Amino acid sequence: ETGVTQSPTHLIKTRGQQVTLRCSSQSGHNTVSWYQQALGQGPQFIFQYYREEENGRGNFPPRFSGLQFPNYSSELNVNALELDDSALYLCASSLLTGNQPQHFGDGTRLSIL
Amino acid sequence: RKEVEQDPGPFNVPEGATVAFNCTYSNSASQSFFWYRQDCRKEPKLLMSVYSSGNEDGRFTAQLNRASQYISLLIRDSKLSDSATYLCVVNRGYGGATNKLIFGTGTLLAVQP
Repeated sequence: ETGVTQSPTHLIKTRGQQVTLRCSSQSGHNTVSWYQQALGQGPQFIFQYYREEENGRGNFPPRFSGLQFPNYSSELNVNALELDDSALYLCASSLLTGNQPQHFGDGTRLSIL
Repeated sequence: RKEVEQDPGPFNVPEGATVAFNCTYSNSASQSFFWYRQDCRKEPKLLMSVYSSGNEDGRFTAQLNRASQYISLLIRDSKLSDSATYLCVVNRGYGGATNKLIFGTGTLLAVQP
């Protein structure tokens, strides 16, 4: 069984730039959720994708956007990067049915200079 | 007030000790509950789901009290390898609705030799 994989592992950007993070879901999972984890905090829900549509969103501005592809992989795009966007970005996949636990990828550590 | 509250710790305990973590959640519509473990600079990993009847997995016991909106995790016979941050997690979605995980800030456990 293939787990959740994310790329890249680390990324350094400057303020105002744009970034795209990628996630491949675990085999058989149809739902992908993205979380942001700042240092010393628990992960915060950004949004979720199911059947290529956004299926719920947390308190993040529109410059955070995403996509899901027919193979259930997903991208997180962040425009106009700010210093506070520095964080670990986690992707989790699951089945949408019932209250299934979510399984996380290794994350992408994004640093904004 | 945060939706999921945990004591951030750190909890410093000797090997072999029993340690208990507590967590409260504020949204009574929460549907499912989990404990995740997160090692330093790694992704959260599912430790166990939490059920109203209580459940045990080896040295780990989890309890849920829906009336009090309270979740607990008990670790018996602590090992050095148990040192990590333990995240209390609540799922506020169900079925076709958003399967959204709400995380506490985590409790840091350091098991000392």
